Amino acid sequence: KAGVTQTPRYLIKTRGQQVTLSCSPISGHRSVSWYQQTPGQGLQFLFEYFSETQRNKGNFPGRFSGRQFSNSRSEMNVSTLELGDSALYLCASSPLWTGSNTEAFFGQGTRLTVV
Amino acid sequence: GNSVTQMEGPVTLSEEAFLTINCTYTATGYPSLFWYVQYPGEGLQLLLKATKADDKGSNKGFEATYRKETTSFHLEKGSVQVSDSAVYFCALIPASGGYNKLIFGAGTRLAVHP
Repeated sequence: KAGVTQTPRYLIKTRGQQVTLSCSPISGHRSVSWYQQTPGQGLQFLFEYFSETQRNKGNFPGRFSGRQFSNSRSEMNVSTLELGDSALYLCASSPLWTGSNTEAFFGQGTRLTVV
Repeated sequence: GNSVTQMEGPVTLSEEAFLTINCTYTATGYPSLFWYVQYPGEGLQLLLKATKADDKGSNKGFEATYRKETTSFHLEKGSVQVSDSAVYFCALIPASGGYNKLIFGAGTRLAVHP
């Protein structure tokens, strides 16, 4: 069974540009969550989608947005990039409506560097 | 609000030493509690979980017990190996409305030397 696939693995962008990251969850998983990982702030929740509906959103500016398609694949977009957006962006998929008694499966992440 | 606090690292141990990584949480009700591990260059993997008070999660020699009275979920292993070197994250999913939203602690880096 294929794992969670994130593309691209590495990305270098210039301040002010926008970027789109992609996540393909494990087959059959309808929940996709996104996290930002930085040395200073650790792992911070961005948003979660279930069957194309955003159910939870973290405390990030409106420049960060996401969506989920009918095949459960998800994308996140960051507009007007800032140096502080440099981070590892992790995607996780889950098989159930709630993760309280199950495992979230993480991809290897997309390393975004803003210069 | 909901939050997780775990001991700062790095933790440096010799092989076969005893490991404890402290984790405490703030949340209403009974959240679900998790330990995830991140090996270099990898995403996170679930190590163990517990969903109600006094539950003990265990996997690969690691254990953690859900203590409601002290709001803690400390990770322990009796004898660590070099291959256990990684970053360990304590996390919770809130009891209400959490869905699949994981709230993580800052992470504790473990380095095990031969």
